[in-house]
Amino acid sequence: GAVVSQHPSRVICKSGTSVKIECRSLDFQATTMFWYRQFPKQSLMLMATSNEGSKATYEQGVEKDKFLINHASLTLSTLTVTSAHPEDSSFYICSARSRTRGTIYFGEGSWLTVV
Amino acid sequence: SQQGEEDPQALSIQEGENATMNCSYKTSINNLQWYRQNSGRGLVHLILIRSNEREKHSGRLRVTLDTSKKSSSLLITASRAADTASYFCATPDQTGANNLFFGTGTRLTVIP
Repeated sequence: GAVVSQHPSRVICKSGTSVKIECRSLDFQATTMFWYRQFPKQSLMLMATSNEGSKATYEQGVEKDKFLINHASLTLSTLTVTSAHPEDSSFYICSARSRTRGTIYFGEGSWLTVV
Repeated sequence: SQQGEEDPQALSIQEGENATMNCSYKTSINNLQWYRQNSGRGLVHLILIRSNEREKHSGRLRVTLDTSKKSSSLLITASRAADTASYFCATPDQTGANNLFFGTGTRLTVIP
């Protein structure tokens, strides 16, 4: 079946540094990828929507300069958390929409801890 | 916000019992989906029910949809310890952005 891979699954970084999370669709092309953030015991909150070859659309309250999203190809989107703060520690999940099937598939998520 | 709400927020049952989770949403929808999430893991799609359907079954799962009340329920029958997880309903963004809005989720614990 279709698989969406996120990497790294866990990352620890120091405050002030930047960290990049990759989201790859392994056996399908994804015209659209979505990035969610999830705090412990809470629901997923959409951060941004990225379309291949164009700028990402950010949800209200999400700082685009802090959470840089790049969707350079039909199989890869990246989320870069810049100048990370401990408050950015969270679980980040991506999903990808299949160009041919229209189905959305979710990655396994990435745990970010900022110390 | 288009985010739905689920109740209960947490549910603890004995193995073998049935678990029922409810989801309410705010806008008109074309479909509603249920997802499962094990602790600290990604989401697993369970079932999709379309707006013209009232009930749908998949194995031990039964989903109902009442569009007049803007609500849905997920029933897990004969629960197992392995069913312990968080369950979310999700509705599509009707503005055409193709993303999903998730409910607040129900944390289910099945006690062996």
